[in-house]
Amino acid sequence: ETGVTQSPTHLIKTRGQQVTLRCSSQSGHNTVSWYQQALGQGPQFIFQYYREEENGRGNFPPRFSGLQFPNYSSELNVNALELDDSALYLCASSTGANTEAFFGQGTRLTVV
Amino acid sequence: GENVEQHPSTLSVQEGDSAVIKCTYSDSASNYFPWYKQELGKGPQLIIDIRSNVGEKKDQRIAVTLNKTAKHFSLHITETQPEDSAVYFCAASPFSGGYNKLIFGAGTRLAVHP
Repeated sequence: ETGVTQSPTHLIKTRGQQVTLRCSSQSGHNTVSWYQQALGQGPQFIFQYYREEENGRGNFPPRFSGLQFPNYSSELNVNALELDDSALYLCASSTGANTEAFFGQGTRLTVV
Repeated sequence: GENVEQHPSTLSVQEGDSAVIKCTYSDSASNYFPWYKQELGKGPQLIIDIRSNVGEKKDQRIAVTLNKTAKHFSLHITETQPEDSAVYFCAASPFSGGYNKLIFGAGTRLAVHP
């Protein structure tokens, strides 16, 4: 086990709704990254938070947003859900750039 | 752009055989290369990583090699066991202003048959 926990494990939402996913980072890790993994593909980088600030973002629209809290836990928010947002959302924690990143078990989001 | 290509997409071996997965990256500034194993219904698990100042790294039955000139890196699993069956992902970390962005390959589904 990595010590990175995500909630919920599964979620079903309707197109147009909003969703919040949560991640608790491994003890001692101040950096949290979020990834989207479509079925049969590798994870795609969404963004990263370091000490409560977003310090890097992938090719995702602004309706994907996030937060990091003083205890380094994090949230991923997605507004105006689309069918293509259906995927496994993964959170990874680390101690900074180019260090080992440890993933949680993911949240399976289904948009109908 | 930033891209990681991974081959093969599927690999089937007999228990005890070796398995090799190969990746190529495009960003020459990449300096960190982890490998992950993902079992069904679970998140990716870090199994080994290598940095650009090292050509080879080994951990028991698993080894990784890196050729920076050719921008290739490979995962070698020896004496495969049925519990090695999973999807394996390579990744490269390009220099992106100091944040830990990983570019993943598309994955290799490894099946080890008893």
